[in-house]
Amino acid sequence: GAGVSQTPSNKVTEKGKYVELRCDPISGHTALYWYRQSLGQGPEFLIYFQGTGAADDSGLPNDRFFAVRPEGSVSTLKIQRTERGDSAVYLCASSPYSSYNEQFFGPGTRLTVL
Amino acid sequence: GESVGLHLPTLSVQEGDNSIINCAYSNSASDYFIWYKQESGKGPQFIIDIRSNMDKRQGQRVTVLLNKTVKHLSLQIAATQPGDSAVYFCAENIDSGGSNYKLTFGKGTLLTVNP
Repeated sequence: GAGVSQTPSNKVTEKGKYVELRCDPISGHTALYWYRQSLGQGPEFLIYFQGTGAADDSGLPNDRFFAVRPEGSVSTLKIQRTERGDSAVYLCASSPYSSYNEQFFGPGTRLTVL
Repeated sequence: GESVGLHLPTLSVQEGDNSIINCAYSNSASDYFIWYKQESGKGPQFIIDIRSNMDKRQGQRVTVLLNKTVKHLSLQIAATQPGDSAVYFCAENIDSGGSNYKLTFGKGTLLTVNP
């Protein structure tokens, strides 16, 4: 079956611009996660959705970052006033409810802020 | 600070040999330890997990060992194949107030398998 998909695969933007990153989870997975991965590092937790609501957004670095999942499926990570330090690979993962150890990751969106 | 770390950043082995990837952790409250594999240009892929009350767990060609006394975790890969070349991350899952969905990843070990 189809895995987690993320679009775009690459995004280059200028400092100060607004970007949206999209995640399509595996059908039927109620849990959805966003992570950020810097070069040479492991993924870093950003936010977790169970259904439509953001159950835990404690990993979002500041209020420029926001994520939504309005219908409990597709999610969008939104970054306002991008900064060069936001450059990273943004990973989305999904899993069935309570199957938290085995998360299914998408290929990521590589964001570059010039 | 980061509680999950790696002993070796890189590991190079010959095809057919066994590989051992190590990980040290500092948080005794972790409920599960998990290994993920990440190939170039892809997202991490789950390999195996082990609950903190276990010492050993085996999967297909992989074995995870947990030594709580020294807070050490290892992933053993038998008969390593070129397709095993990837970065391997250990991660921990701490069920703190119901937040057992949050995985904390270490920095990773790059495994290179030479034909």
